[in-house]
Amino acid sequence: QVQLVQSGAEVKKPGASVKVSCKASGYTFTSYYMHWVRQAPGQGLEWMGIFNPSGDSTTYSQKFQGRVTMTRDTSTSTVFMDLSSLRSEDTAVYYCAREGNGNYYSFDHWGQGTLVTVSS
Amino acid sequence: DIQMTQSPSSLSASVGDRVTITCRASQSISTYLNWYQQKPGKAPNLLIYAASSLQGGVPSRFSGSGSGTDFTLSISSLQPEDFATYYCQQSYSNPRTFGQGTKVEIK
Repeated sequence: QVQLVQSGAEVKKPGASVKVSCKASGYTFTSYYMHWVRQAPGQGLEWMGIFNPSGDSTTYSQKFQGRVTMTRDTSTSTVFMDLSSLRSEDTAVYYCAREGNGNYYSFDHWGQGTLVTVSS
Repeated sequence: DIQMTQSPSSLSASVGDRVTITCRASQSISTYLNWYQQKPGKAPNLLIYAASSLQGGVPSRFSGSGSGTDFTLSISSLQPEDFATYYCQQSYSNPRTFGQGTKVEIK
């Protein structure tokens, strides 16, 4: 069965960087795009960007352009999301989500989420 | 960017009620509209894609309709496990924007 397993919670100081991982299993890793979505405490869902594991291409939300980098390790079927210059407003749960095939680009599987806390 | 506006932001309903949530896009998105359910502390779960197609394993009491700019999610007979927050999302273009969410609470 499809599984997306994310790395554990992180606590970072303002100005630091965080790298969250998302390990995929149960399907062909390079055949599905991966998205990153975040959710600040008590708030809604915010799309950060899309990553193509087969070709390494990315499209980032304008809001995060210059601060976010999405990469992959095909040997372990893992995608990574690196967010730099952290500020308190970046405190959120970060999710990876797989874009399905043949279902109008919806997100059919999600990771369990990774809480990133930014605090001095 | 395409703006997605949901209404209401919250609602109170009883078990067995019919519930309808609306979602409006700031421009036409054809039927590239998806609905997700999120329970506290959990990741969102896909319910409906392409405006009206039920994701596998989702109960048939959930249904979606609409095209262009106006969409609805309906729950025909609310069950205890349906109390959650619901989000619409457009997958027509990047950025893949979400509505602000509708919290369905127990009356």
